[in-house]
Amino acid sequence: SQTIHQWPATLVQPVGSPLSLECTVEGTSNPNLYWYRQAAGRGLQLLFYSVGIGQISSEVPQNLSASRPQDRQFILSSKKLLLSDSGFYLCAWSSANSYEQYFGPGTRLTVT
Amino acid sequence: AQSVTQLDSQVPVFEEAPVELRCNYSSSVSVYLFWYVQYPNQGLQLLLKYLSGSTLVKGINGFEAEFNKSQTSFHLRKPSVHISDTAEYFCAVSLPPRRALTFGSGTRLQVQP
Repeated sequence: SQTIHQWPATLVQPVGSPLSLECTVEGTSNPNLYWYRQAAGRGLQLLFYSVGIGQISSEVPQNLSASRPQDRQFILSSKKLLLSDSGFYLCAWSSANSYEQYFGPGTRLTVT
Repeated sequence: AQSVTQLDSQVPVFEEAPVELRCNYSSSVSVYLFWYVQYPNQGLQLLLKYLSGSTLVKGINGFEAEFNKSQTSFHLRKPSVHISDTAEYFCAVSLPPRRALTFGSGTRLQVQP
């Protein structure tokens, strides 16, 4: 069966520091991968999605970036965090020929 | 572009009572519809989905939803809720061929003893 992992589970970082969140999927190949952010009172916002290695689409202009160095690895990064980057970051995957997405456990990021 | 509206931000209900969580969407073309549940500090779990076929869709944990194309709705129902159903519920749509999901703002279901 397929499993999706995210780490770290929680993170507290000062403003201006870099960020790297990692997501990996097991038990499937060539998945579509997604990063969402869930900020307090603002619902779920799609940040990036990827249909293959090195293929990244950005949904919202911001100081975050994403990379997909391997088929089942998706990384969310920032060079300098802002207070507004605080939130719950969720990674999700779907198979290439289906529409339902399956979510990881999430990373709680607090920028201080 | 599609959008999703969840009409109730919070729904309090007593244990063993029925519940309906409302979801409406706007799209000029056919969409795929989903309900997800989120327990505190956890990721989202897929409850059920409508892709095509029967408009009444059954999911996990005794939930079901009915797709109504004329009213552009996909309301979630459960005939008898349990304390363990207390969580946030999200309705989402996907507009083929784009596979990214657009979510509603969520409904917090609070089941009281």
